[in-house]
Amino acid sequence: EAGVAQSPRYKIIEKRQSVAFWCNPISGHATLYWYQQILGQGPKLLIQFQNNGVVDDSQLPKDRFSAERLKGVDSTLKIQPAKLEDSAVYLCASSSFRQGQATNEKLFFGSGTQLSVL
Amino acid sequence: GDSVTQMEGPVTLSEEAFLTINCTYTATGYPSLFWYVQYPGEGLQLLLKATKADDKGSNKGFEATYRKETTSFHLEKGSVQVSDSAVYFCALSPLFSGGYNKLIFGAGTRLAVHP
Repeated sequence: EAGVAQSPRYKIIEKRQSVAFWCNPISGHATLYWYQQILGQGPKLLIQFQNNGVVDDSQLPKDRFSAERLKGVDSTLKIQPAKLEDSAVYLCASSSFRQGQATNEKLFFGSGTQLSVL
Repeated sequence: GDSVTQMEGPVTLSEEAFLTINCTYTATGYPSLFWYVQYPGEGLQLLLKATKADDKGSNKGFEATYRKETTSFHLEKGSVQVSDSAVYFCALSPLFSGGYNKLIFGAGTRLAVHP
């Protein structure tokens, strides 16, 4: 079974530039997550989709970050403009969880995109 | 809000030593508890989980018991191997999350095992 695919693997940009990350979840997984992992910290949830709808974006800095999952499959996370503090690994994860199920479904993670903002 | 606290690393052990990585949580009610592991160059993967008090999760020789009275979920292994070198993350899924599955992670503990 193919895992969660993310690209690019690495990205280096200057502050105030824009950047986009792409994620293709495991086939059939309804729930997709974007996490931000700053060096030395645990992953922090940025946004969670159920199919193509947003169910939690409470920690997404909406003035500069945006994300979409238009057809309920792959997803794009964008940062515009980037700041130095956005340097982190951006992780995409997916889960077969659907609303109404027990909230302890396993998440499958991609390898992440490492972003360096100079 | 809900949170997870892990012991700071790195933890450095010799092969075949006993491992304990402490994890405590703050949450309303009875969250589900998890340990995820991140091997070098790879994505996070689920190691084990427990969904109610006194449950014991186990996998690959690792164990953790859900202790409601101490709000803890410590990870243990009786005899570590070099291949266990990785970063270990404790996480919880809140009981009250609007009906949606979400994970809150601790900061991670790096384990280095030497021959």
